[in-house]
Amino acid sequence: KNQVEQSPQSLIILEGKNCTLQCNYTVSPFSNLRWYKQDTGRGPVSLTIMTFSENTKSNGRYTATLDADTKQSSLHITASQLSDSASYICVVRRTGNTGKLIFGQGTTLQVKP
Amino acid sequence: NAGVMQNPRHLVRRRGQEARLRCSPVKGHSHVYWYRQLPEEGLKFMVYLQKENIIDESGMPKERFSAEFPKEGPSILRIQQVVRGDSAAYFCASSLTEGPSSYEQYFGPGTRLTVT
Repeated sequence: KNQVEQSPQSLIILEGKNCTLQCNYTVSPFSNLRWYKQDTGRGPVSLTIMTFSENTKSNGRYTATLDADTKQSSLHITASQLSDSASYICVVRRTGNTGKLIFGQGTTLQVKP
Repeated sequence: NAGVMQNPRHLVRRRGQEARLRCSPVKGHSHVYWYRQLPEEGLKFMVYLQKENIIDESGMPKERFSAEFPKEGPSILRIQQVVRGDSAAYFCASSLTEGPSSYEQYFGPGTRLTVT
């Protein structure tokens, strides 16, 4: 079954600290993996997209890694800010032309001052 | 350069009424996707449309739900005879084209449907 599992479900950290979110997937055949940030009451916004051949990709303080062999990805947030408080969603796309995305349930991150 | 627009942002319907959700894609985008997010759950794919065509509706419930993306105007997701279980956030996304080099989907702010 094509699934995307994320951990932890929720996380609280202090402002300025780093954190790492995890994503495991069983989607096959694999096309690419994305991390989205979803603020409360808003639509998801793309942070990174990685294909099979990419191991790491950065977007400012966000760094995503991908191990296609073990089907694991992580999102590392450096020097967290209050505005990082949001849900972070791991999304996997299967190969094919329908563009269908398979979403994880998200990790809810709360950054406290 | 407007992004994906959805309206209304909030919609309240009584059981048995019809709900119409509208989505205007990014200007120039011809591919539209609808997703549903139930409370405490992740987004689930519903349907993928190109102008005047339904490409993939495998995530759409077989009854009461329909979607269209006419040649002119926004994409519409229609839910007939709504039930309490339809209460959710409905997100629309659009992309320029489909294929390995053009796979970025841009999401709208969502429509939150509440069925009373």
